[in-house]
Amino acid sequence: DAGVTQSPTHLIKTRGQHVTLRCSPISGHKSVSWYQQVLGQGPQFIFQYYEKEERGRGNFPDRFSARQFPNYSSELNVNALLLGDSALYLCASSPGRPPLPQHFGDGTRLSIL
Amino acid sequence: GENVEQHPSTLSVQEGDSAVIKCTYSDSASNYFPWYKQELGKRPQLIIDIRSNVGEKKDQRIAVTLNKTAKHFSLHITETQPEDSAVYFCAAPPGGGATNKLIFGTGTLLAVQP
Repeated sequence: DAGVTQSPTHLIKTRGQHVTLRCSPISGHKSVSWYQQVLGQGPQFIFQYYEKEERGRGNFPDRFSARQFPNYSSELNVNALLLGDSALYLCASSPGRPPLPQHFGDGTRLSIL
Repeated sequence: GENVEQHPSTLSVQEGDSAVIKCTYSDSASNYFPWYKQELGKRPQLIIDIRSNVGEKKDQRIAVTLNKTAKHFSLHITETQPEDSAVYFCAAPPGGGATNKLIFGTGTLLAVQP
């Protein structure tokens, strides 16, 4: 079975632009969470979606938004990019309501110039 | 507050020795404690987890212990091998795990010397 898939794998943007990152969860998983991992640090929680509704939000500005589609895939949108948004963006999926194991995708490496 | 402290930040062992990584959490309502292994440039990989109603769990060479009273949990790796070299993260959900939010520790870089 395929694991969590994320696209694109790498992305280079300039300050002020916006970006959309995509995630497909493991088949049968209904919950998707997004994390930001800055080099040398642990992942930081951004959002969780379950059954297409936002179930949790981390301490990130309103420039960050997300949504989940009927097929349980998800998009993370970031507007007005800043240099500090450069990071690895990870998507994790789990079967349903917590606490359940979360499995990460390979991430999208976002670089802001 | 939401906080997970992890020690040590780096750990170097000889092949065949044991390695222990310790984490302390602040939210007494936390009820699920996963450990992730992240190799350079790769995704965090779930290697073992434990729930709050269990004190210890083993899976071959790895084990996790939980002390709810002291609010700390530990990862034990026995008979270490060079392929165990990676960054290890502990995590815990705040607020009893009502969401899938995980608070991660700062990571431990484990180096297994052949």
